[in-house]
Amino acid sequence: EAGVTQFPSHSVIEKGQTVTLRCDPISGHDNLYWYRRVMGKEIKFLLHFVKESKQDESGMPNNRFLAERTGGTYSTLKVQPAELEDSRVYFCASSQLDRGRNAFFGQGTRLTVV
Amino acid sequence: AQSVTQPDIHITVSEGASLELRCNYSYGATPYLFWYVQSPGQGLQLLLKYFSGDTLVQGIKGFEAEFKRSQSSFNLRKPSVHWSDAAEYFCAVGASSGGSNYKLTFGKGTLLTVNP
Repeated sequence: EAGVTQFPSHSVIEKGQTVTLRCDPISGHDNLYWYRRVMGKEIKFLLHFVKESKQDESGMPNNRFLAERTGGTYSTLKVQPAELEDSRVYFCASSQLDRGRNAFFGQGTRLTVV
Repeated sequence: AQSVTQPDIHITVSEGASLELRCNYSYGATPYLFWYVQSPGQGLQLLLKYFSGDTLVQGIKGFEAEFKRSQSSFNLRKPSVHWSDAAEYFCAVGASSGGSNYKLTFGKGTLLTVNP
């Protein structure tokens, strides 16, 4: 069984550009989470999807970030326009609807904004 | 709101030595507690978790952790460290905010270096 997969593994973009991160959850996992981390700091929650619906967006930092999960399968996280402070590692996690406490994480996408 | 403190940013041990990584949490109810590990180039891998019951939990790779409610701690231990254990370790507390949403609050992580 494939795990949670994230694309790309690393992205370097210029300030002001747009970047889209993708997460493919484990098949059958209706819960999907986005987290992010700056080096040396905590990994922080961004948002939670159940299927295609956003259930909790309390961690989204501002309106430059847009998360979607059309069709309830893979999810994208778009940053537009990117700022230097967005340079972090972005993690995705998924879990089954009835086993919400058992989340599986992807390898993360390292975003560098220069 | 819940919080997690990992007091040690970086720990160095010799291969074969014992290891204890500290974790303290703050949460109003019975917490769901986790330890994750991230090896270089890898994702976050679950080592072990505590939901209820026996306060000493066993995980993968020979790790164990003990939940101590009186100390609000969930320290990770391993009796003999292997070079392959060199990684960054994260303690986390999970809380339900309704439905199946169990968002995690993480500590800042402890980087483990293993000397030969």
